[in-house]
This record gives sequence, C-alpha cells and structure tokens, in this order.
Amino acid sequence: EMQVLESGGGLVQPGGSLRLSCAASGFTFSNFAMSWVRQAPGKGLEWVSNIWGGGTVIDYADSVKGRFSISRDNSRNTLYLQMNSLRVDDTAVYYCTKGRNGEGDSYYYMDVWGKGTTVTVSS
Amino acid sequence: DIQMTQSPSTLSASVGDRVTITCRASQSISRYLAWYQQKPGKVPKLLIYRASNLESGVPSRFSATGSETEFTLTINSLQPDDFATYYCQQYHSYWTFGQGTKVEIK
Repeated sequence: EMQVLESGGGLVQPGGSLRLSCAASGFTFSNFAMSWVRQAPGKGLEWVSNIWGGGTVIDYADSVKGRFSISRDNSRNTLYLQMNSLRVDDTAVYYCTKGRNGEGDSYYYMDVWGKGTTVTVSS
Repeated sequence: DIQMTQSPSTLSASVGDRVTITCRASQSISRYLAWYQQKPGKVPKLLIYRASNLESGVPSRFSATGSETEFTLTINSLQPDDFATYYCQQYHSYWTFGQGTKVEIK
C-alpha cells in the first residue's frame, strides 16, 4: 500500500524556522513528483511546493517563495520542507502528497495524501 | 495564475438527491482537472482525474464532465457518506484548488 507520513510540525514563533519531513513507502519514491499542500484552520487547500522525481525541477507558490525550500532524499524515500521566516498566516496543516500523471503526460495531480502535520506560528 | 471558482459554496441536499457542483477556470486548462472529497478532520481523497476519470475504488454514483474552463461533478443518489466538502483542482499550470463546496444535510 502506498503511504506517506509527515512529521516535524509544531509551535514556532513568528520569524522562526521549522523543517517538515515526509516518509514514503509502498512505491518507488524516485519515480514520482511530490508536493506539499497546506490547509489553514477552517480554510481550503493551497498548493505550497513541488519537486520532481529527480529533484531538479522545483516550484513554489508565491506565498512561500524565498522563505520555504523543498528537497528530497531518494535514498531515504523522504521529502522535506524547510520553512524559514515563518509568519502567522503560515499556520496550517501541511500535507505531503504523491503525484501521478497520465501516460505520456507530464501533468500530475495528487493521488496519495498523508495525514498531515500541524504547524502553528504564534507568539 | 489560474483561478478556480466553485459554485455553490454550500449545498443542502437529502439522501437520494442528485447534486451537481460546478467549477470554472479563469483560463483554459484543457482537461487537467481533478476532484477531491474531504470529510471533517480527514485527509482529502482523490475522486476524479483528467476531468472525468473515476479513481479506482470510488463509487460509480460519482461522475464528472467538462473541458477548457467549465467542469461539473455530479453525485447521483446522494448517500450519507457523501456529506463532505468537495474541491476541484487544476493541474495544467502549477496547481490551484477551488474554494470548496460543502454538501450538507438538508
């Protein structure tokens, strides 16, 4: 069974840093793009960042660009999100997601979601 | 950036009803649209991909159509387990979610 499991969330003060991890299992991790999606309390879903299987193609939402950094260690089947200069509006549940695309298609959607890890930014 | 707009924001329905949710993209996304279901306190679940393809294991009462900028998700004969929030998501240019449609009990 394909699974992803996030960790690393917690309470941090504004301006602080946090590193999220996502451990993947049940699939060949290096073959798939991975993304982080967040959900603020009582709000909808927001894509944060993605990284392709080889780790060379990376994108960020404008809201986190320059503050967050995504990376992956394919030897450890693990995805990371380094979050710096955290703001109160970064408070959310952060989901790790696996990407899946159609045959001959480079566009991918999220087919496997972790249970999420909660990040709270507050003084 | 591509914006996704869902309507309605909230939908009140009864068990057995047929419900339809609409999702509009601010520009053409071909058929690169997915639908997710999220129950309170739970993880989003993929229902539909490529605008109309039913994910494995999803009941056949769920169906979806659309292309370019107009998309719909239909639930035939609404079941108690279907009361949830539904999100559309474009994946043509980065990834953007609609604001969600809450399907609640009438």
